[in-house]
Amino acid sequence: EIVLTQSPGTLSLSPGERATLSCRASQSVSNNYLAWYQQKPGQAPRLLIYGASSRATGIPDRFSGSGSGTDFTLTISRLEPEDFAVYYCQQYGSSPFTFGGGTKVEIK
Amino acid sequence: EVQLVESGGGLVQPGGSLRLSCEASGLIFSGYGMIWVRQAPGKGLEWLSYITSSSNTIYYADSVKGRFTISRDNAKSSLYLQMNSLRDEDTAVYYCARTRITGRDAFDIWGQGTMVTVSS
Repeated sequence: EIVLTQSPGTLSLSPGERATLSCRASQSVSNNYLAWYQQKPGQAPRLLIYGASSRATGIPDRFSGSGSGTDFTLTISRLEPEDFAVYYCQQYGSSPFTFGGGTKVEIK
Repeated sequence: EVQLVESGGGLVQPGGSLRLSCEASGLIFSGYGMIWVRQAPGKGLEWLSYITSSSNTIYYADSVKGRFTISRDNAKSSLYLQMNSLRDEDTAVYYCARTRITGRDAFDIWGQGTMVTVSS
């Protein structure tokens, strides 16, 4: 099983600042099948990034994904008020399709 | 409107059973893989199970293997999760989701979730 470790657990930032979220895998993710999701309270997750670096339909270009193998990063270039949420990475290259523990981006 | 709608959640005693359904509307269901994911109160996301479009490949998380069964009926655009031998720790919101494209991919369409509470 691939274990995904997200850091930091909580990120306290102000609107307009840059957010850098990390997702580290215990072994290489096949075909870089790594996704990032955003979840707000009481809502279902929303797909942001697939294939480690491709933005999903309708996702603003301030969201970007990078990385390969075991180290992946989600960057939000300038935080908007609606971006304060919890972010999860998920690998779907090999079963089980594990999620990371999440990073909460909160308003400082 | 493109949507997945889960149903079948509720209160059940430990050791009991429930069958969750996920009905698709406004989208193509038959050619796409599907998953079930759950989220315990105040916790993170936990992937449970995956099924391919033709049901010929099915995966389960160790936490539910042997107790939960995923299935689908493409003619009814519906996904199911049969949950047996339920435990307190199965209490969660259960989501279904569809792959972004046909074949192996991330999951871009999600239902709103259905709550399952296991308690005596």
